[in-house]
Amino acid sequence: QKEVEQNSGPLSVPEGAIASLNCTYSDRGSQSFFWYRQYSGKSPELIMFIYSNGDKEDGRFTAQLNKASQYVSLLIRDSQPSDSATYLCAVKEGYGGSQGNLIFGKGTKLSVKP
Amino acid sequence: DTEVTQTPKHLVMGMTNKKSLKCEQHMGHRAMYWYKQKAKKPPELMFVYSYEKLSINESVPSRFSPECPNSSLLNLHLHALQPEDSALYLCASSQENRQYFGPGTRLTVT
Repeated sequence: QKEVEQNSGPLSVPEGAIASLNCTYSDRGSQSFFWYRQYSGKSPELIMFIYSNGDKEDGRFTAQLNKASQYVSLLIRDSQPSDSATYLCAVKEGYGGSQGNLIFGKGTKLSVKP
Repeated sequence: DTEVTQTPKHLVMGMTNKKSLKCEQHMGHRAMYWYKQKAKKPPELMFVYSYEKLSINESVPSRFSPECPNSSLLNLHLHALQPEDSALYLCASSQENRQYFGPGTRLTVT
């Protein structure tokens, strides 16, 4: 069974700090990795995607991927109260080309305290 | 533009009702999805349409019936639902490996 694991949290960080969210996955064939942010009562919003080992930065967000360790993370620098949400890690199944299905982790709830 | 629209935003229906959820995207995406999400759980895949053909049905009960009239539209027909079917129903579309979700329909079955 293909799995994506995340700490459910809540992860609490003070405003201005770095929030670090982690995710591990079981499917060694996976090539595409995504982070979604979901505010309470809203739908998931794609905020980062990464396909290659290493770091990918976009504004205050950095995604990190290590395929050998089957590990993907999301760093949020200068955390703001508006970053308080549930962050879903999603991994595309390692078959099915561009239409492969996403396997979601259970999400990590982040709380940024003013 | 990565907009997926869904109507209605909220729906309350009885167990004997028939209703439909609608989803639309005009991004030229050729894959569209229905997900169900319960509170504090991740989205759960229900159906996948690829090039307007149903490619995946994740063992969903027959009281949920998907339809893809054209490449921009996706419907989910509901009939004889149970209270446990109350959830947020999400539509998504994908292109170039990335899935984008619509705002969802909050469904309550009474």
